[in-house]
Amino acid sequence: NAGVTQTPKFQVLKTGQSMTLQCAQDMNHEYMSWYRQDPGMGLRLIHYSVGAGITDQGEVPNGYNVSRSTTEDFPLRLLSAAPSQTSVYFCASRNSGDSARPQHFGDGTRLSIL
Amino acid sequence: AQKITQTQPGMFVQEKEAVTLDCTYDTSDQSYGLFWYKQPSSGEMIFLIYQGSYDEQNATEGRYSLNFQKARKSANLVISASQLGDSAMYFCAMREGDAGNMLTFGGGTRLMVKP
Repeated sequence: NAGVTQTPKFQVLKTGQSMTLQCAQDMNHEYMSWYRQDPGMGLRLIHYSVGAGITDQGEVPNGYNVSRSTTEDFPLRLLSAAPSQTSVYFCASRNSGDSARPQHFGDGTRLSIL
Repeated sequence: AQKITQTQPGMFVQEKEAVTLDCTYDTSDQSYGLFWYKQPSSGEMIFLIYQGSYDEQNATEGRYSLNFQKARKSANLVISASQLGDSAMYFCAMREGDAGNMLTFGGGTRLMVKP
């Protein structure tokens, strides 16, 4: 059972480059989210989705785009990378049925923007 | 005002002793959930324990228990019989509403267990 899979695990970009962080889950979860974690801080919500075709902004959405064409996948796009986007990115998913169920997190993508 | 406040940036505890990690929260919702996650140095987020706002009893999961004081808006994590493997960052998080997908995290507490 793979759970939530994030790729790549590490990435170095130059300022202005674009890239997509991949997130896939095999638990048929309706809810998926992207968070970023800056050094010494807690996670902050970037974007989230409550189902295929439905996305919404979180606390820190600027500079990021998302789409949800399938239940399984929720990619995060950086259109023009900036040094301020250097962070560790976590994807999470949750079943919508039970509010007590925790979010399942991927192992994270460590992104450095030079 | 911050929604989740963890006032202890770092704590030490002697192996086999109990330790309490503080968490206070701020919400106007009647229905909400509080979660604690552990993040070891390897970086993954590990779910520990959950407390719902309507739960009458404090949550327990093995060596973890949650001291939930609703009127004071606090949800402190108690770890009993600390082990060296408990050394990690600990995050308190809140979900507002019943069906919300969003978690708001505190800044975390780094726990270090001394042998």
